[in-house]
Amino acid sequence: QQQVKQSPQSLIVQKGGISIINCAYENTAFDYFPWYQQFPGKGPALLIAIRPDVSEKKEGRFTISFNKSAKQFSLHIMDSQPGDSATYFCAAEASNFNKFYFGSGTKLNVKP
Amino acid sequence: NAGVTQTPKFQVLKTGQSMTLQCAQDMNHNSMYWYRQDPGMGLRLIYYSASEGTTDKGEVPNGYNVSRLNKREFSLRLESAAPSQTSVYFCASSERLPIIRNEQFFGPGTRLTVL
Repeated sequence: QQQVKQSPQSLIVQKGGISIINCAYENTAFDYFPWYQQFPGKGPALLIAIRPDVSEKKEGRFTISFNKSAKQFSLHIMDSQPGDSATYFCAAEASNFNKFYFGSGTKLNVKP
Repeated sequence: NAGVTQTPKFQVLKTGQSMTLQCAQDMNHNSMYWYRQDPGMGLRLIYYSASEGTTDKGEVPNGYNVSRLNKREFSLRLESAAPSQTSVYFCASSERLPIIRNEQFFGPGTRLTVL
């Protein structure tokens, strides 16, 4: 049973458009929600993260929206660029678990 | 400061062979992890080590063993490789920083094929 469900599996966006990736979780013990970005042939790297005491966090063109009651969170990439083409993973962690649960990943392709 | 390093980068095994994947980190992190990445499955935790001297099973531990050799090194062993273990393996490390954020740092991965 997957602890974190991610959609869509793949996404094609035109340059300058908005990319939106969604994740949902069930375990209310989760208290940290990071997004990782992975380029082909590389390991994932932390992109942005949020804790459930805020509903939104923005870093440059990347925004996380968090809905605690719905147990959902999403990544928005504004003004998407071809350089954003990568696989994105959402994840969740609980402080007392000391381990992350990752979503299945979304392959984003931004067309020039 | 190399971060997390993994060896080898690529490996081809025959069914039944054994091998050890090596991982080392130079960030003085307490926690280390082994994941496997398969298409459509995301990253699945195999084993992790919260601190030197401790190891725990993750989501998919069957067919694997681990050793936390010291604070820097965490190895993953396949005793009798099976085609179902064909995957890309990532090692990661992290340090829990109160309030700030918990970031896992990943190595470059080992691409393993079992024939």
